[in-house]
Amino acid sequence: AQSVTQLGSHVSVSEGALVLLRCNYSSSVPPYLFWYVQYPNQGLQLLLKYTTGATLVKGINGFEAEFKKSETSFHLTKPSAQMSDAAEYFCAVTLNTNAGKSTFGDGTTLTVKP
Amino acid sequence: SQTIHQWPATLVQPVGSPLSLECTVEGTSNPNLYWYRQAAGRGLQLLFYSVGIGQISSEVPQNLSASRPQDRQFILSSKKLLLSDSGFYLCAWRRQGTDTQYFGPGTRLTVL
Repeated sequence: AQSVTQLGSHVSVSEGALVLLRCNYSSSVPPYLFWYVQYPNQGLQLLLKYTTGATLVKGINGFEAEFKKSETSFHLTKPSAQMSDAAEYFCAVTLNTNAGKSTFGDGTTLTVKP
Repeated sequence: SQTIHQWPATLVQPVGSPLSLECTVEGTSNPNLYWYRQAAGRGLQLLFYSVGIGQISSEVPQNLSASRPQDRQFILSSKKLLLSDSGFYLCAWRRQGTDTQYFGPGTRLTVL
């Protein structure tokens, strides 16, 4: 079984400030980890993913995340927030099986203040 | 390149009416296909997935069913909608043997 917990359903930052969105997971096998972004009334867009190899992964729009196995975490960061970053962010864990089922966190809404 | 389509984009239906939502994928063959529901302020709940034509796995007992009549077509249906069926329905696909799911634009369903 696998689960994902996103700490903080709402995060508010000022434009130019650091963005930190937290994600902790549990998985019985080595996980594949993902961050997706969703703008209102749209589908999910892949930001970045970790499968194997380097634990610090870089994604689109200046975001990055670090896989920390000892802490079972995959937090998403961006050094300097932009107004266009305001959206909902989802962390997900996927089993490396033929079905490839994913479990998603409840999401974090990011607000960026001018 | 691959694209995924969902229609309709929005739908308002009375309680007790039937439902049919369609998802199609272009530019790939034999994809894994997924239906998710997203309730307001919540994450995504996996409803069904399919690894091939006619192969449907249900994740949660519910008022909905799914079918895959063609390789790249995935349909979500209901005979009688309930108020609790309201939500944002997302279809996703994944190339078999790879790790990433790609999402369609979604259908906003409101049951009144």
